[in-house]
Amino acid sequence: AQKVTQAQTEISVVEKEDVTLDCVYETRDTTYYLFWYKQPPSGELVFLIRRNSFDEQNEISGRYSWNFQKSTSSFNFTITASQVVDSAVYFCALIGNFNKFYFGSGTKLNVKP
Amino acid sequence: NAGVTQTPKFRVLKTGQSMTLLCAQDMNHEYMYWYRQDPGMGLRLIHYSVGEGTTAKGEVPDGYNVSRLKKQNFLLGLESAAPSQTSVYFCASRSLGGSQPQHFGDGTRLSIL
Repeated sequence: AQKVTQAQTEISVVEKEDVTLDCVYETRDTTYYLFWYKQPPSGELVFLIRRNSFDEQNEISGRYSWNFQKSTSSFNFTITASQVVDSAVYFCALIGNFNKFYFGSGTKLNVKP
Repeated sequence: NAGVTQTPKFRVLKTGQSMTLLCAQDMNHEYMYWYRQDPGMGLRLIHYSVGEGTTAKGEVPDGYNVSRLKKQNFLLGLESAAPSQTSVYFCASRSLGGSQPQHFGDGTRLSIL
């Protein structure tokens, strides 16, 4: 069975704080891909990053970084020096051997000025 | 670049009415998906298609039908709308390959009274 868990329903931080969004997944597939999407208040879904199961290198893109650890089945997302524009719902997703994506329930991030 | 276009953006129906949501993509993508998004539940897959003329059930298919007569279009039908189908509906498409991310439309907000 495939499953993605985002245990943090909502997080509130003050601008410039660092924040980490957790994502834990379950899969029996040996090859799989993990994704993060952002849904700002305007409602659209924006692709942020993908990672395949064979690549455990951390990735950094500006203020965003991702930590993938197969040993703990986690793919966590950190925003450094958060900004008000980072306020959104963030979704983690998994796709395995078949063509279906499995999404977590999302984490709502509130960044206050 | 249009990407993925959903029609309509908003709709209010009465219980028992029928309607069709249209999703059109201009990226020549093979795969197309319909999701519903409800508060606290993330995105749940309704139906998906891996190519023209093919469809498959997702996680929550009951009460919905789909058709993919043309590669660029994926239609979602509600034969007899129920209040439980009040939701935001998202269409997505992606190209071949597990690593390919989904590209989402802007969503359709549907209310069933």
